[in-house]
Amino acid sequence: AQRVTQPEKLLSVFKGAPVELKCNYSYSGSPELFWYVQYSRQRLQLLLRHISRESIKGFTADLNKGETSFHLKKPFAQEEDSAMYYCALSDYNYGQNFVFGPGTRLSVLP
Amino acid sequence: NAGVTQTPKFQVLKTGQSMTLQCAQDMNHNSMYWYRQDPGMGLRLIYYSASEGTTDKGEVPNGYNVSRLNKREFSLRLESAAPSQTSVYFCASRQGALNEQYFGPGTRLTVT
Repeated sequence: AQRVTQPEKLLSVFKGAPVELKCNYSYSGSPELFWYVQYSRQRLQLLLRHISRESIKGFTADLNKGETSFHLKKPFAQEEDSAMYYCALSDYNYGQNFVFGPGTRLSVLP
Repeated sequence: NAGVTQTPKFQVLKTGQSMTLQCAQDMNHNSMYWYRQDPGMGLRLIYYSASEGTTDKGEVPNGYNVSRLNKREFSLRLESAAPSQTSVYFCASRQGALNEQYFGPGTRLTVT
């Protein structure tokens, strides 16, 4: 079965420090990976997806098929990055199923 | 475009009461989803509809029913609410199997 894990429930960093949010998945096919962000009391919104290979708000993520990971990175964290981050996986072979990880709350301290 | 809309925004129910959460999207998406979000549990899929006229169970379907009324609308019904159903409910939609999901603003439900 597909599974997405995010080992850290809470990650606290100081403003200006690098940040890495970890995501690992277990799936034998070729999934599509996403990062979603949820700011306080707002709806989830797409941050980035691996197929587009773009940098959004300074965040990047690289798909490592060997390690089955899709970690989210930003070189210099900002206070406005404080939010809940969800890693998610989708695959055509599983129809419309879309699996989310448990989420990591990022807190950027001043 | 309004995107994905949900009503109501907040609801308080007593145990045993029933209610329907409404969701609509104006993006002509084929697939629609219902999730619940609980602290420490992330998002869990309740039901989804791959296309108009079809629905399938997700990870936590017990206690819920859904109706895909047409391509735009996908409702979630609680027939007999229980305190364990206290949660924030999100509706989402997407066009294809590999595309991103678009989320509604959520419904905060409390069952006492």
